Amino acid sequence: DAKTTQPPSMDCAEGRAANLPCNHSTISGNEYVYWYRQIHSQGPQYIIHGLKNNETNEMASLIITEDRKSSTLILPHATLRDTAVYYCIVRVYQAGTALIFGKGTTLSVSS
Amino acid sequence: DTAVSQTPKYLVTQMGNDKSIKCEQNLGHDTMYWYKQDSKKFLKIMFSYNNKELIINETVPNRFSPKSPDKAHLNLHINSLELGDSAVYFCASSPGTGMNTEAFFGQGTRLTVV
Repeated sequence: DAKTTQPPSMDCAEGRAANLPCNHSTISGNEYVYWYRQIHSQGPQYIIHGLKNNETNEMASLIITEDRKSSTLILPHATLRDTAVYYCIVRVYQAGTALIFGKGTTLSVSS
Repeated sequence: DTAVSQTPKYLVTQMGNDKSIKCEQNLGHDTMYWYKQDSKKFLKIMFSYNNKELIINETVPNRFSPKSPDKAHLNLHINSLELGDSAVYFCASSPGTGMNTEAFFGQGTRLTVV
C-alpha cells in the first residue's frame, strides 16, 4: 500500500505556481520522497526527489518539512502541458527498488 | 532514441488467446519492471527483474510470465487472456546499482481483450 496521502484533485491558473501537497507521516529515516507525473496515460515521468533538504531542478522545487512528515511539490509557472496526475512516493534510496504508486493528485491547469 | 520502448502500442485480442508484449531499454540499466494500469488508472507493480533475475512477483496470476533473455529486454507473456486483463501495461527500467535511482517508463501497451 502507498504510504502517502495526496488530495485527489487541484486546479491552477496558467502562469501561476502550482503547490501540490503530500502527507507521509510514517516515513522512515532511510526513505526519500519522490515525485512522478503521468500526462494523459503516457508513461510516468520522474520529476524530483529529496531526503530532508529542499531540492530544485529545471522542472520543479521540492519543499520537505523539518519533521519530514509532509512535502510540497512546486511548479513555479504552471502551463497547460503540466496538466497531469502527480504522484508522491516514499521509497528507500536503493537502486532497483520498485515504485509503489498511490492515487496521486490530478492537477488541471487552465488558461 | 527512445530509452524504454514497448511493442506493440495497441493490442486487441480475443479471450483465450496467448499474447506477448516486448520491452527493450537502451539505458544500460540492471533492473526492469512491468506495471499494470487498470481502468481506474491505478498503477500496480507486477514484476521486477534485476540482471535477469526475478526480484518481485506481486500476486500476479501464473498466466502472466515475464521473460528476460538479457538485461536489456523484459518481455511479458500472457496465456489464456481474460476480459479482466484489459489494461495498459507499462515497462520501466532503473539502475541496479549506484546513486541514480530514477526510473524510466515506456509509453505503454494498451491491451483490449474482447
